[in-house]
Amino acid sequence: SQTIHQWPATLVQPVGSPLSLECTVEGTSNPNLYWYRQAAGRGLQLLFYSVGIGQISSEVPQNLSASRPQDRQFILSSKKLLLSDSGFYLCAWSLSLYEQYFGPGTRLTVT
Amino acid sequence: QKEVEQNSGPLSVPEGAIASLNCTYSDRGSQSFFWYRQYSGKSPELIMFIYSNGDKEDGRFTAQLNKASQYVSLLIRDSQPSDSATYLCAVKVIGGSYIPTFGRGTSLIVHP
Repeated sequence: SQTIHQWPATLVQPVGSPLSLECTVEGTSNPNLYWYRQAAGRGLQLLFYSVGIGQISSEVPQNLSASRPQDRQFILSSKKLLLSDSGFYLCAWSLSLYEQYFGPGTRLTVT
Repeated sequence: QKEVEQNSGPLSVPEGAIASLNCTYSDRGSQSFFWYRQYSGKSPELIMFIYSNGDKEDGRFTAQLNKASQYVSLLIRDSQPSDSATYLCAVKVIGGSYIPTFGRGTSLIVHP
């Protein structure tokens, strides 16, 4: 069966510090991978998606970036965090038209 | 612009009642439809998916799809307090990048 992991689970970072969130998927090959952010009381905002290694599409221009160094690994990064980057970051995977599964999420607080 | 609309609620139902959650979508090319449950502070959990017109039942949950009227609904029978959560509707369109469009979610409260 497929499993998706995210770490860390929670993170408190000062403004201006770098960020690296990691997501890995087990039990499937060549999945579509997604990064979402959910601000408190808000809907899901798609940040990045990837259909293959090294292929990243950005949905929202901002100070975040993503990379996919391996088939089942997706990384979200920032060089300098802003207060507005606080939120619940969710990684997800799917196979084309089929259902999408979310990881447990990382709660980021920028202070 | 693809849109998925849900009533934000909260929808309040008594324990044991049927909860009915609705979702409308704008893109007639939509092919796959999903319902997620999200407890406060947790990630969304897939509870139902439906690809064809009609009803699909799984335990206490029934998803209903009507492509002609462009809506999908979720019925929860014998609602329990543990069903209290936000329910997200998501839709995928044929072709392209297979990016789902999510609604903002409906908050459901099941009171004893």
